Amino acid sequence: RKEVEQDPGPFNVPEGATVAFNCTYSNSASQSFFWYRQDCRKEPKLLMSVYSSGNEDGRFTAQLNRASQYISLLIRDSKLSDSATYLCVVTKGGGYQKVTFGTGTKLQVIP
Amino acid sequence: DAGVIQSPRHEVTEMGQEVTLRCKPISGHNSLFWYRQTMMRGLELLIYFNNNVPIDDSGMPEDRFSAKMPNASFSTLKIQPSEPRDSAVYFCASTVREGNQPQHFGDGTRLSIL
Repeated sequence: RKEVEQDPGPFNVPEGATVAFNCTYSNSASQSFFWYRQDCRKEPKLLMSVYSSGNEDGRFTAQLNRASQYISLLIRDSKLSDSATYLCVVTKGGGYQKVTFGTGTKLQVIP
Repeated sequence: DAGVIQSPRHEVTEMGQEVTLRCKPISGHNSLFWYRQTMMRGLELLIYFNNNVPIDDSGMPEDRFSAKMPNASFSTLKIQPSEPRDSAVYFCASTVREGNQPQHFGDGTRLSIL
């Protein structure tokens, strides 16, 4: 089993739709979680951190479910500019901060 | 504030040549990561430095790859000799290790080995 797994998609959704992605992780000792966005031929950029209580940033909501070992990203009122690949990142701390990126979920928002 | 700076942005060279990629992390960041990204394999961690010391190089493909961090503001990733299968985008990222902070990526170096 991969350490971090994501559905590669693509998710094709119309403008204005709500879309959600999940990301599962295998290491129960994982401590920090993030969502990154990567546009075609660009570097990954931090979208938002994921906190235990869940957090929201505008149209974006991130949640963590430690019991089931997954994180989620919800995008409301999708915009064309949301089209990108969304990478989840899981970090295990301690003496060595092991960071694992998922392979990403591709989102295409259609006019 | 300046982000992570990588150079060159693009590199095209013939197989067998030595390739050196450079990275300047964000000032004050004490952890630096080198990644390779391809369509087939996604984003792969090659090596991770903390306070200029290599902590985990298990992702380095083979002896042809080497990385150094002589000081807190500079790192290199070298491939010698290069092969066509090394063609990929190479990213450098930095972060503050304490508190499990997120990584910040440079623009990447797009490497093509002919």
